[in-house]
Amino acid sequence: AQSVSQHNHHVILSEAASLELGCNYSYGGTVNLFWYVQYPGQHLQLLLKYFSGDPLVKGIKGFEAEFIKSKFSFNLRKPSVQWSDTAEYFCAVKNSGGYNKLIFGAGTRLAVHP
Amino acid sequence: GAGVSQSPSNKVTEKGKDVELRCDPISGHTALYWYRQSLGQGLEFLIYFQGNSAPDKSGLPSDRFSAERTGGSVSTLTIQRTQQEDSAVYLCASSRGRDRGHYEQYFGPGTRLTVT
Repeated sequence: AQSVSQHNHHVILSEAASLELGCNYSYGGTVNLFWYVQYPGQHLQLLLKYFSGDPLVKGIKGFEAEFIKSKFSFNLRKPSVQWSDTAEYFCAVKNSGGYNKLIFGAGTRLAVHP
Repeated sequence: GAGVSQSPSNKVTEKGKDVELRCDPISGHTALYWYRQSLGQGLEFLIYFQGNSAPDKSGLPSDRFSAERTGGSVSTLTIQRTQQEDSAVYLCASSRGRDRGHYEQYFGPGTRLTVT
């Protein structure tokens, strides 16, 4: 069965630090990949997505992610975090040939201190 | 227009009671999904609707769980004879259901279910 692993459950950073959140998935076929974010008290919202083409994907708020097929990874990065990036981040994968259900990782809770 | 809405926002029920959770998707979205998020867990897929039919029910954890969708719009998730392990946040999402628009799922605020 497909699964998604997020290696960091809790991350604490100071403002202006660089961020990288790990995401690995298990599925050998073609996948679509997503990062969702949930700010405190808000709905889950899409941060960025990868379907095909350039493996470096840019999303909202300065976030980017790189799809490395050989490593089954889709890590999320941001060069300089802000206090407003405090949130929970979820990586998700969809089997491109199947129904549209998303398989989510357990999430990474990020706290950014001013 | 309005986003995905869910009701109630919070539900406390006694073990053994039945509960119904409602989801109103974004108008025009033909695909609808239910997920649940238990404490410390990621989101777990439950069921997917395309229109009124459910081609993927693979995530429903037991026969106590059922869902329906009427008029290609509102969906209800029913949990019969609730158990404490059913306590979770139940999230609904919808997507356009056409081409690549199929893939972007818009989530509602969730219903927090507590079974005492």
